[in-house]
Amino acid sequence: DVKVTQSSRYLVKRTGEKVFLECVQDMDHENMFWYRQDPGLGLRLIYFSYDVKMKEKGDIPEGYSVSREKKERFSLILESASTNQTSMYLCASSFSVNYGYTFGSGTRLTVV
Amino acid sequence: GIQVEQSPPDLILQEGANSTLRCNFSDSVNNLQWFHQNPWGQLINLFYIPSGTKQNGRLSATTVATERYSLLYISSSQTTDSGVYFCASRAEGGSQGNLIFGKGTKLSVKP
Repeated sequence: DVKVTQSSRYLVKRTGEKVFLECVQDMDHENMFWYRQDPGLGLRLIYFSYDVKMKEKGDIPEGYSVSREKKERFSLILESASTNQTSMYLCASSFSVNYGYTFGSGTRLTVV
Repeated sequence: GIQVEQSPPDLILQEGANSTLRCNFSDSVNNLQWFHQNPWGQLINLFYIPSGTKQNGRLSATTVATERYSLLYISSSQTTDSGVYFCASRAEGGSQGNLIFGKGTKLSVKP
């Protein structure tokens, strides 16, 4: 089975800090995604990557950047954390665009 | 963009009962998936099913692409089936990365 691992389950950061969320997959998948999930708003795509060093903006990229230097790792960066970025962050990967997604267990980030 | 609507929003079942969850989508799709989110937040992929029927144990899913809906069947429900079920789809010709999620069906199975 494909495994998608997110580095932290819970994270508390201060406003203005630079925050790194890491995601690693172990099945050589081409595509990786970052979503955030908020009550009442559902899951929304932040960024995705379809190859090393390639990235595309999703619906809500403002305040975020990403890095994909190696195929197995996709990092989400909050350049200057704000309280409205308190959320559940979910990473996913897929073999290609028309295959099923595998999600990590999520990182619940609180910005204080 | 594509709209994904799920019904019912909430469902309470007695253990052992069967249920059907529905997902309507507003456009032709080339990707349709069902997920279960457990109480700890983990999203588990149940089916990748842009068309046709699939079965996995007590779960099965059918997508009728021409009529723009998909159904998830849960038979002989168990308390461990509780959680939120999401349908997600991508429109043909839509952005490659953007799988759009419905708002989910929250299922509670009582012992």
